[in-house]
Amino acid sequence: DSGVTQTPKHLITATGQRVTLRCSPRSGDLSVYWYQQSLDQGLQFLIQYYNGEERAKGNILERFSAQQFPDLHSELNLSSLELGDSALYFCASSVIGTLPTDTQYFGPGTRLTVL
Amino acid sequence: TQLLEQSPQFLSIQEGENLTVYCNSSSVFSSLQWYRQEPGEGPVLLVTVVTGGEVKKLKRLTFQFGDARKDSSLHITAAQPGDTGLYLCAGEGDQAGTALIFGKGTTLSVSS
Repeated sequence: DSGVTQTPKHLITATGQRVTLRCSPRSGDLSVYWYQQSLDQGLQFLIQYYNGEERAKGNILERFSAQQFPDLHSELNLSSLELGDSALYFCASSVIGTLPTDTQYFGPGTRLTVL
Repeated sequence: TQLLEQSPQFLSIQEGENLTVYCNSSSVFSSLQWYRQEPGEGPVLLVTVVTGGEVKKLKRLTFQFGDARKDSSLHITAAQPGDTGLYLCAGEGDQAGTALIFGKGTTLSVSS
């Protein structure tokens, strides 16, 4: 158990819909990362927050948005869903959010299926 | 664009065999990490290498960072069924040391 929790574990929805994925970081961690894992693209970095502020942005679509709240939990919002958005979405957290010394701890993921 | 290529994509071996997994790039990375991921779980960090030529050992696992910091390898000695999983390499990206770029992984299956 990494200490990072993600809800829900599974999500099945239809094209065009909007969903929200939730992540609670490990106690004491200030930085949260979101990743998408698919069979063809592998694990891809989406976005990082540190203490409520966006720190780094990766291959995140404009239809996706995220935020980190004052209690440090984070939400990833996916809208106008397409079939190709079906994937595993991972949240990770770390203490201060800098590489290489800061270890990222990954949650168990949310499996999103878009029908 | 920084990319990491892993090979082989799949590896199926018998318990007790040795194996090597490779992670290559045309770009220089300031650090590189190896993760293991089991079905239904998130990746777990195994090691971080930061110096060209660095070798780190973790029990039966040996990690090496290439001299030019463009490649890395993971060698497992006497593989066990518990080593089964997806092995991912990840490099520190260009964005001020915060984002990781992952290879697509090597799926290892060790049968007894």
